Amino acid sequence: QVQLVQSGAEVKKPGASVKVSCKASGYNFTSNDINWVRQATGQGLEWMGWMNPISGHTGSAQRFQGRLTMTRNTAITTAYMELSSLTSEDTAVYYCVGPADWGQGTRVTVSS
Amino acid sequence: SSELTQPSSVSVSPGQTARISCSGDILAKKYVRWFQQKAGQAPVLVIYKDTERPSGIPERFSGSISGTTVTLTISGAQVDDEADYYCYAASGNNRFGGGTKLTVL
Repeated sequence: QVQLVQSGAEVKKPGASVKVSCKASGYNFTSNDINWVRQATGQGLEWMGWMNPISGHTGSAQRFQGRLTMTRNTAITTAYMELSSLTSEDTAVYYCVGPADWGQGTRVTVSS
Repeated sequence: SSELTQPSSVSVSPGQTARISCSGDILAKKYVRWFQQKAGQAPVLVIYKDTERPSGIPERFSGSISGTTVTLTISGAQVDDEADYYCYAASGNNRFGGGTKLTVL
């Protein structure tokens, strides 16, 4: 079955970067875009960006442009999301999203 | 506008029909997906391409579209359907609606 398994929780200081991985299995990794979505506690879902696993082309929401980097390693069917210049407002659960399934989420806490 | 607008909450009694709307100009050109998110869990896809239901999703979940409004209908809602529901359209910066909290009691 389709699985998206994300890396574990992270605690970062303001100004640092965080990199979250998303290991895909059970489907053709290169057949669908990977999207990244985040959710702060008690808030709604916020779309961050997408990546085409074949070409590596990406697109992101305007508010993340300049500090969001999405990459992939097709050999190990893994996508990565790196967010830089973190502030407390980036504290959230981050999800990767495949064709229909979601990863389990990665909690990122930004605190001094 | 690329904004998607949902009611913040909907409440029904068990066995009644729940309807959750999602409105936005972009919906005249883009397909909508609906996601169900129960407390503490990752979202689950319940409707795609406006009206299609993934395998494993109960038949009581259905989707419809009229102009720039799509509607998720849960016929004979169950207590287990209590969750937050989000519409999503792959366009622009604000791809998710604000979410609707469905209460079944």
